Amino acid sequence: GQQVMQIPQYQHVQEGEDFTTYCNSSTTLSNIQWYKQRPGGHPVFLIQLVKSGEVKKQKRLTFQFGEAKKNSSLHITATQTTDVGTYFCAGGGSYGGSQGNLIFGKGTKLSVKP
Amino acid sequence: KAGVTQTPRYLIKTRGQQVTLSCSPISGHRSVSWYQQTPGQGLQFLFEYFSETQRNKGNFPGRFSGRQFSNSRSEMNVSTLELGDSALYLCASSYSTGFGETQYFGPGTRLLVL
Repeated sequence: GQQVMQIPQYQHVQEGEDFTTYCNSSTTLSNIQWYKQRPGGHPVFLIQLVKSGEVKKQKRLTFQFGEAKKNSSLHITATQTTDVGTYFCAGGGSYGGSQGNLIFGKGTKLSVKP
Repeated sequence: KAGVTQTPRYLIKTRGQQVTLSCSPISGHRSVSWYQQTPGQGLQFLFEYFSETQRNKGNFPGRFSGRQFSNSRSEMNVSTLELGDSALYLCASSYSTGFGETQYFGPGTRLLVL
């Protein structure tokens, strides 16, 4: 079945360092979404990418969708302690699938040392 | 608009019991999805309801069931609880159903089975 693999599983950085997490899908996606879950919280929608090769920025966060619409990345420049949490990618897959309309990666847990 | 609400927030049950969790979606949202989140398995899709009909179902045993009411509120039920059912149960709503609809998550119900 469809799968979305996300790496790395964990990332520990010093405050001010950059951070990148990557998502790869086994199939072409209709769109890719990114969510952030703070410790003890619930996933919160960050952004959706729809077009091949799309790049979007939100302040220090840069999101990319690959040309083949099978991979995506989230890059954070100059991390801050407020960036701590788990970042999930979620691919828009085939409607009616056993994984629902969105296929979530397992997430990358980011910790930032002040 | 008020966000997704879930009740109860915390629950402790013993093996063999059953439990019912409730979710109220964002006003105007007609799709409600349920997810189970555990440290080892990440976010796993349980099922999705749209207009009182189950549209998608994940790979969970029949002990897990749900329903949706005419006002879009949803409940999920887990019967004959097992220790492995201890998890954070997240409800998410979206405006409609289809490819990669953005999910708006509630705060979750943390279930502990003893």
